[in-house]
Formats: sequence, structure tokens, C-alpha cells
Amino acid sequence: QSALTQPRSVSGSPGQSVTISCTGSSSDVGGYNYVSWYQQHPGKVPKLMIYDVNQRPSGVPDRFSGSKSGNTASLTISGLQAEDEADYYCCSYAGSFTFYVFGSGTKVTVL
Amino acid sequence: QVQLVQSGAEVKKPGSAVKVSCKASGGTFSSYTINWVRQAPGQGLEWMGRIIPMLDVANYAQKFQGRVTITADKSTSTAYMELISLRFEDTALYYCARGLAPSTYWFDPWGQGTLVTVSS
Repeated sequence: QSALTQPRSVSGSPGQSVTISCTGSSSDVGGYNYVSWYQQHPGKVPKLMIYDVNQRPSGVPDRFSGSKSGNTASLTISGLQAEDEADYYCCSYAGSFTFYVFGSGTKVTVL
Repeated sequence: QVQLVQSGAEVKKPGSAVKVSCKASGGTFSSYTINWVRQAPGQGLEWMGRIIPMLDVANYAQKFQGRVTITADKSTSTAYMELISLRFEDTALYYCARGLAPSTYWFDPWGQGTLVTVSS
């Protein structure tokens, strides 16, 4: 199972919005509403930011939002802040044979 | 507050095996799934497998079938991941991460990671 496709990097100025795409197939992203997103700062542990496509865990700022259309999921960060600079990974459930597949990761840079 | 604490770093020779532990505290271990995810240096995340302690059922990514075994000890709230026939490319940070049984599809929280270095 190949990794889900994410852009290698995206960037934006403070206060702007950025969107990270996560493209899979009908066997994973398109087949289930079970996409999650993880933020990872350098040298740190991944942190859950979005689950079940568009649900935010308690404590995650509401400037983080998720959506899905067809085989592509997206994470949008509105009102970009310096502390949002990190790597972001999507992950999708892919059925009871493959189980889970992660995206290739996107580095978000705050200019 | 659920916490996952993993065992310390390991250095192993090619062809040997490594066993990493993940001890859960602050919650009900039998209601979890414990997943194992690895990250090679400078690379992305890769799901390896999981165990559902309440059912004592483990599932593995196809890539690791036959080389990885995930077990759980409910009496100590500890999960284990054993990887055999180690190769240089198995050098990575190995994380455990919690889900909720029987079926949630996210991982939170994560353990602090265990660095496994395969070196001759």
C-alpha cells in the first residue's frame, strides 16, 4: 500500500490560511470517513489535530479544520501562527486488510 | 490523563531481534487498541500493526507480516512490539499510540518513542 500523497511543503504569512491536501484512492480516503491529521514539531511526538475527517479533539484550536471530497482530504489552518510551523501527516483507515495508511507528510512554513 | 511510556533506546545487530514495551497509565487498558508506528530518520510515519487487548487480537501491516509480533499483558497494562530479522533499514523511532476499542480510527496519545538503531 503506497503512502497517501501530500505536497512536500506549503507556506504562508502569519494570519493567512494554508490548505494541505491528502490524496488517496477509493480504498482508503474515498472509502471511509476516517481521516485523521497529526502535527509533528521537530524532535517531538505526533499530536492528533483532526479525526474522522473534520472533528477536532478538545484543546485543538478552531483555526484547524478538516474536510474531504472524493479521494482527497484537506487540512486548513486559518489565521496562521508561528507555532503552527511543523510537519503534518494525514492518515486514513483503509479497510480490514490494510488497516491504516499515512500520508507522505507536509512541512508548513510560516514566513 | 492517559500516558504511554516506552522502553529505552536499543542498538541491535543485523539479523537479531528487538522487543519494545509500551506501558499505559491513567485509563482502562482493556478498552484501548495499541498501535505501533515507526519513523525512519528524516522520513514519514508508517503504521506497523496493533493489538486489541480486550480481544487479544493483533493485526499487522502486510509489509511486516512474519517479522513483527505485537502482544499485550493486561495485568501490567503493557503492550510489546517484537521485530525480528532486523535490517539496517529498520533503524527508526518506534512509537506506540492509543486508539479506543472496538473501533476508533485515530491515535492519541502517543508514547515518547523508542529509537532502534541497527548497526554492525
